[in-house]
Amino acid sequence: GESVGLHLPTLSVQEGDNSIINCAYSNSASDYFIWYKQESGKGPQFIIDIRSNMDKRQGQRVTVLLNKTVKHLSLQIAATQPGDSAVYFCAETYYYSGAGSYQLTFGKGTKLSVIP
Amino acid sequence: ETGVTQSPTHLIKTRGQQVTLRCSSQSGHNTVSWYQQALGQGPQFIFQYYREEENGRGNFPPRFSGLQFPNYSSELNVNALELDDSALYLCASGDRGEKLFFGSGTQLSVL
Repeated sequence: GESVGLHLPTLSVQEGDNSIINCAYSNSASDYFIWYKQESGKGPQFIIDIRSNMDKRQGQRVTVLLNKTVKHLSLQIAATQPGDSAVYFCAETYYYSGAGSYQLTFGKGTKLSVIP
Repeated sequence: ETGVTQSPTHLIKTRGQQVTLRCSSQSGHNTVSWYQQALGQGPQFIFQYYREEENGRGNFPPRFSGLQFPNYSSELNVNALELDDSALYLCASGDRGEKLFFGSGTQLSVL
């Protein structure tokens, strides 16, 4: 089974409102987390990342929160716009010392629909 | 745009055939990873190459193989195609694989 999952498969928000997308992870060894946005017909686009030694990181209109106690990750989008409509994936990364590489594991995604 | 390009964009094959998908990594990136994304699912890790050697593999059978070339371009080969191989195949490049930048993918349909 997957170690990264999402609480809500779909989310509809009014244009201008704030959006919150949640994600649970199960691997306590994960030390790096990324949110990706995927529009129809395109590959995942990097939005924002956060390391396990942080609990909050802000970007342009986006904020990622990390709660290691309950293994929870969230993405907040301020003033949601129609262009934000897409599927959002959280992904966890940890380092496999045997392979000498980072492994990225994705959840199933949340579809965000913005109502004009 | 990420600078990661994939070809072809779409491909139709029949069961039992072989397929080769190609990827050109973003300049300066020495790691390339391949992912399979079934409809409605998140991408699943196939394998990763660093300096032309495979250094990580997901739960995929040996008929999924790959190559990375000195110019950091890469190929994904799939032999004996099965219907369940129909998916979007994504290539991603990065610096040691931590932060990955994805191409737009190749949509493979197996009939």
